[in-house]
Amino acid sequence: QVQLRESGPGLIKPSETLSLTCTVSSGSIRNYYWTWIRQPPGKGLEWIGHYYRATTDYNPSLKSRVTISVDTFKNQFSLKLSSVTAADTAVYYCARESVEPAAGGLVDSWGQGILVTVSS
Amino acid sequence: DIQMTQSPSTLSASVGDRVTITCRASQSLSGWLAWYQQKPGKAPKLLISKVSNLESGVPLRFSGSGSGTDFTLTISSLQPDDFATYYCQQYSTYPWTFGQGTKVEIK
Repeated sequence: QVQLRESGPGLIKPSETLSLTCTVSSGSIRNYYWTWIRQPPGKGLEWIGHYYRATTDYNPSLKSRVTISVDTFKNQFSLKLSSVTAADTAVYYCARESVEPAAGGLVDSWGQGILVTVSS
Repeated sequence: DIQMTQSPSTLSASVGDRVTITCRASQSLSGWLAWYQQKPGKAPKLLISKVSNLESGVPLRFSGSGSGTDFTLTISSLQPDDFATYYCQQYSTYPWTFGQGTKVEIK
């Protein structure tokens, strides 16, 4: 059973870059899609993007500000979101998407989530 | 983006009730539709994939159906553990998108 855990600062200032890391335990990071999803307080879920075998796909609404990368040696993957505003305040989940279907999309494992607040 | 619209937004029901949540997509999903359950302060949990495939360990009182753009999640006999928010999600076309959620409350 894979376990995922997010880490990073819980408070950042407007215009700064949000940086989060997800540590994956139990299993190789090489064979799945590794994903970030966020949820503003009291609201629904928004897919940010994913990484699979050196390829990334991002939500167009965030694409200009997002980078997802993987460190296979540490079994970790990361999210960077630049130029944040209060609208980026949310619980950020790292997650895993199944490789069936081949394009991914089915989120079968989730981290516990980390609340990131953007405020001066 | 494919828009996912769930109804109702909130549902009040009693233990033992049959509950139905609907999800409508703005275009055909070719069956790539999942349902998740989320409890307060917790991450979502995958319940159903590919419209109707129940994930391992999910109680048989949960079922999914539908095709094209219209889908349904049914709980045949609501149990205390089922009071939660439910989300549908399409994984047919990037970006993956979720419905706004349906909160199932105790009546």
